[in-house]
Parts: sequence; structure tokens; C-alpha cells
Amino acid sequence: EAQMVESGGGLVKPGGSLRLSCVASGFVLSSYSLNWVRQAPGKGLEWVASISSSSRYISYADSLEGRFIISRDNAKRSLFLQMNSLRAEDTAVYYCARGVSGTGGDHFDSWGQGTLVTVSS
Amino acid sequence: EIVLTQSPGTLSLSPGERATLSCRASPPVSARFLAWYQQKPGQAPRLLIYGATNRATGIPDRFSGSGSGTDFTLTISRLEPDDFAVYYCQQYGTSPVTFGQGTKLETK
Repeated sequence: EAQMVESGGGLVKPGGSLRLSCVASGFVLSSYSLNWVRQAPGKGLEWVASISSSSRYISYADSLEGRFIISRDNAKRSLFLQMNSLRAEDTAVYYCARGVSGTGGDHFDSWGQGTLVTVSS
Repeated sequence: EIVLTQSPGTLSLSPGERATLSCRASPPVSARFLAWYQQKPGQAPRLLIYGATNRATGIPDRFSGSGSGTDFTLTISRLEPDDFAVYYCQQYGTSPVTFGQGTKLETK
């Protein structure tokens, strides 16, 4: 059974940086794309970023304006999200999710439990 | 960007009843690349349906999906107490992937 466990969330001041990690187990990591999806408190789901199985293809939500970087290390079974120039509106639970490809992106068949990022002074 | 509009915002039903949740896309979704998720408070979303009609692994057959193009439906044939949650649709046929705003299914 696929499992994904996020870590690295916490409280950070506006303008600060944070690096999220996600460790995956129970499946062949190198066969799947991986994604970050976030959910602001009391709000809906928002796709953040995607990285293909070999890291060749990477895409981001336009709303991020180039502030986040997604990466992965298949040998360490890990996914990362480097978050820079954080804003209050980045406050959310961040989920890592395993992707199954469609023509425009993935649907998500396995999710972590999420890690909360709070941006506040 | 494809905008997904879910209706109703809240649906109040009783266990044993049939639930019909709608997801409307503008512009149309490519090739039925539409998924449905269930989310309970404090939990991660769970994939229910992909490809508009295919149940994910372990999902009971009381959940079914239908539709294509602009109009999609999630039907829960006989509600059980565990089904009361928030449901989201998501399209993945056109970049960027987008989600609907959710339908809250609550106990009447």
C-alpha cells in the first residue's frame, strides 16, 4: 500500500523560506509523477506543483509567481518543496500526492496526511 | 484555465437516500479526464472516481460517476453514515489541473 508522509511545516514570517519534504513508501517511486496540493484553512483544494518521474517535466501553478521550487530524489524516496518569499496567502495544509497522468496533468491516487504552513508575523 | 463549478454547495440528506452531486466545466474537459475526491474533517482527500466513471481501488459500488464534456455527476446510491463529507471534482485534461469548490454532504 502506498504511503506518503510530509514534514517541514511550521510558522514562518512573511518573506521567509521553508522547505517541505515528503517520504514515500510501498510503491515504485520512479514510476510515478509527484505533486504538491494545498488547502488554505476552511477552503478548497489548489494544485501547487508537479514533477515527472525522472524530474524531466516540472510545472507550477501561475499563482506562485516563481517563488516555489519542486524537486525529488528517487534514491531517497523523497519529494521536496522549497518555498521562498512566503506570503500570508500561502498559509495552508500542504499535501504531497502521487500522480497518475492525464493529458493536462495528474489525478491523485494516494495522498499524505499533510503538513501545515502558517505565514504570520 | 478550466473552471469547475460544483452544485449544490451543501446537500442535506438522510442515510439510505440517494445523493447526486454535479460538477460543471467551462470550457469542456478533455477526454473525460475528471476525478472525484472525498474529504472528511482533518483528513486528506481520498480518490473515489477517475476518468469520469472508473472507481478507484477499494471504493464501494454505491459510488458511481458519469458525464462528459461540460457536465459530470457523482452519484451515491444509498448513503451510509460514513459518506457524509465534502466532495471535490478535479479535471486533469488541460493544464493547469483545477478543482471545483466542493459540495458538503451533510446529515439531514
